[in-house]
Amino acid sequence: GQQVMQIPQYQHVQEGEDFTTYCNSSTTLSNIQWYKQRPGGHPVFLIQLVKSGEVKKQKRLTFQFGEAKKNSSLHITATQTTDVGTYFCAGPVTNAGKSTFGDGTTLTVKP
Amino acid sequence: EAQVTQNPRYLITVTGKKLTVTCSQNMNHEYMSWYRQDPGLGLRQIYYSMNVEVTDKGDVPEGYKVSRKEKRNFPLILESPSPNQTSLYFCASRAGTYTEAFFGQGTRLTVV
Repeated sequence: GQQVMQIPQYQHVQEGEDFTTYCNSSTTLSNIQWYKQRPGGHPVFLIQLVKSGEVKKQKRLTFQFGEAKKNSSLHITATQTTDVGTYFCAGPVTNAGKSTFGDGTTLTVKP
Repeated sequence: EAQVTQNPRYLITVTGKKLTVTCSQNMNHEYMSWYRQDPGLGLRQIYYSMNVEVTDKGDVPEGYKVSRKEKRNFPLILESPSPNQTSLYFCASRAGTYTEAFFGQGTRLTVV
């Protein structure tokens, strides 16, 4: 699998503020996936991006795939306490099944 | 209901005592994986399997074994656990390389 670096590691915001996490790779990615893990829970799939420059929205969440397909971002507008958790990006999976996850960004939201 | 089931959810054991964490999926997925999650280190892949009797080492395979005798099951075996294997473990399955991964609920293992 591809190596993906994710920043920041932690982000603390006031409720209502925006939040962004970034995922970067030194090589071109065929696709990228994003997952959310609530505190005490397991990772849950959010979305997959495949096309260069792709932008997808899920309510207050906006996902982008860079034009060069080497980076991606997840932006949350007007955070809510329900957004708390760790967000992971994941690089492509090889045909054999090898995968690589970023280290995750843990978001805390102060009411 | 489509799901990945891990057992046990919590386990405290002593150094050197062999243990097995079971994983079963009911979605007929080809691909299955084991990950460990440690603070600040994200999800690291231990072993993965693309089909029955086909398994490969991931990024952190030392001290672990797996088997894939049936499509639905992918047990993780620790022959001689050590304290550095204290971690949160997740099993996951997926249908293909461009599909989402479904994770189990996790197994929190403590080795004393």
